[in-house]
Amino acid sequence: EAQVTQNPRYLITVTGKKLTVTCSQNMNHEYMSWYRQDPGLGLRQIYYSMNVEVTDKGDVPEGYKVSRKEKRNFPLILESPSPNQTSLYFCASSLLEYNSPLHFGNGTRLTVT
Amino acid sequence: GESVGLHLPTLSVQEGDNSIINCAYSNSASDYFIWYKQESGKGPQFIIDIRSNMDKRQGQRVTVLLNKTVKHLSLQIAATQPGDSAVYFCAENMSLNDYKLSFGAGTTVTVRA
Repeated sequence: EAQVTQNPRYLITVTGKKLTVTCSQNMNHEYMSWYRQDPGLGLRQIYYSMNVEVTDKGDVPEGYKVSRKEKRNFPLILESPSPNQTSLYFCASSLLEYNSPLHFGNGTRLTVT
Repeated sequence: GESVGLHLPTLSVQEGDNSIINCAYSNSASDYFIWYKQESGKGPQFIIDIRSNMDKRQGQRVTVLLNKTVKHLSLQIAATQPGDSAVYFCAENMSLNDYKLSFGAGTTVTVRA
């Protein structure tokens, strides 16, 4: 089944403790992206990648890192999480063709205390 | 700044009736629009898309209408069913060289039995 898989689905951590949220897609998509979803703010892009070893900042990149060493994987790294990063995170992927819709994972709900 | 927005945050619909979800956009350069459906606990799911050279596009029980004159996008759902209860987002891609989508805040649709 074609899908975007994120892990973990739920994560509670403390301020300053480094964490990684994994994302993997099995559709051979070139384009991958991370979003955060907050009430009243919709989906905001954190980082995106158009291919292996190519990553760029989205609208809200502060406090996040990503890597794209393999085409299928695009992990999101929080080196020193803070409470304002408590959010619902989505990974998405698509073909690198204009007007190709994004396919989303089922989300990771992160709580930073 | 320019952004994608939805007219109403919530919509209550009687089962069997038609639903109309509206979205206003302000960027006249936007040329590709997508509607997503997000059910509780899941990631956004692609419903239908439309390019700016079209006024209307139909899918299975759904129709998207684009009015470029007033920068308005709508999603019509025919014979609304309980499974249609979800949050609906419109998204726009603002340029040919930009794969990034901008999302509205969403409309929560509740179907009454």
